[in-house]
Amino acid sequence: GESVGLHLPTLSVQEGDNSIINCAYSNSASDYFIWYKQESGKGPQFIIDIRSNMDKRQGQRVTVLLNKTVKHLSLQIAATQPGDSAVYFCAESNQFYFGTGTSLTVIP
Amino acid sequence: GAVVSQHPSWVICKSGTSVKIECRSLDFQATTMFWYRQFPKQSLMLMATSNEGSKATYEQGVEKDKFLINHASLTLSTLTVTSAHPEDSSFYICSSILDRVRHEQFFGPGTRLTVL
Repeated sequence: GESVGLHLPTLSVQEGDNSIINCAYSNSASDYFIWYKQESGKGPQFIIDIRSNMDKRQGQRVTVLLNKTVKHLSLQIAATQPGDSAVYFCAESNQFYFGTGTSLTVIP
Repeated sequence: GAVVSQHPSWVICKSGTSVKIECRSLDFQATTMFWYRQFPKQSLMLMATSNEGSKATYEQGVEKDKFLINHASLTLSTLTVTSAHPEDSSFYICSSILDRVRHEQFFGPGTRLTVL
C-alpha cells in the first residue's frame, strides 16, 4: 500500500542550530500532512500540519515545507533546544500508518 | 481539548495471563479509536481500528483472538492481550481523531506491558 517514509533514521544537532527532518510520501491525494513528536516513553503529540494546497506553514520555531512535485515534506526546527530531542513522524491525513520516524538528538 | 488517557501506564504480568488496557477520550466522543504497538527504537505499528458499537478492524498479521478490542461506548475502548507471552511485551498506544478531514490523531500516553 501507499506509505509515508523518512529519509534519515537519526539526526544529531548542536543546541542552537537549526534542524531539518525530511519525509517522503507516495499518496498525492492526501489533503493534509501532519508532523508528530514523540518523546521517550510517551505518546506522539501533534506539532504542525500543512494542507496540500500550501507550500509552507510556520509555527512557533517550526516550519513545514511541502514540495508536491517530488512528494517531499520537511520539518525545520529553529534554534534547536534539548527539549526537542525526540522521534519525529510525518503522517498523511487519510492514512494511519507511520514510517520509521527520525530520532533527533540535541547535543548541549 | 481532545485529551486521551490510558490505564494502566505500565503493567507487569506473568506469561499466560491476560491484561486489559483502557483507552478513554476525556473531553470528546471518540467514535473511532486506533491501537498501536511500538517496540523499542521502532515505529508505531497499527494493530487495529476500533469503532464504537461494532467489531474492530484488525491489520494483517494481528491476531484478533489474541488482541481483543471492545469499544462499547463513545469514550472507552479496551484492548485485552490474552494469554500474554514475553514477545507481547511492548508499548501500546491508543489514539482517536476529531476531524475527519485532517485526521489529526490525539494519542494516549501509552501503556508499557512487560510479560515475564
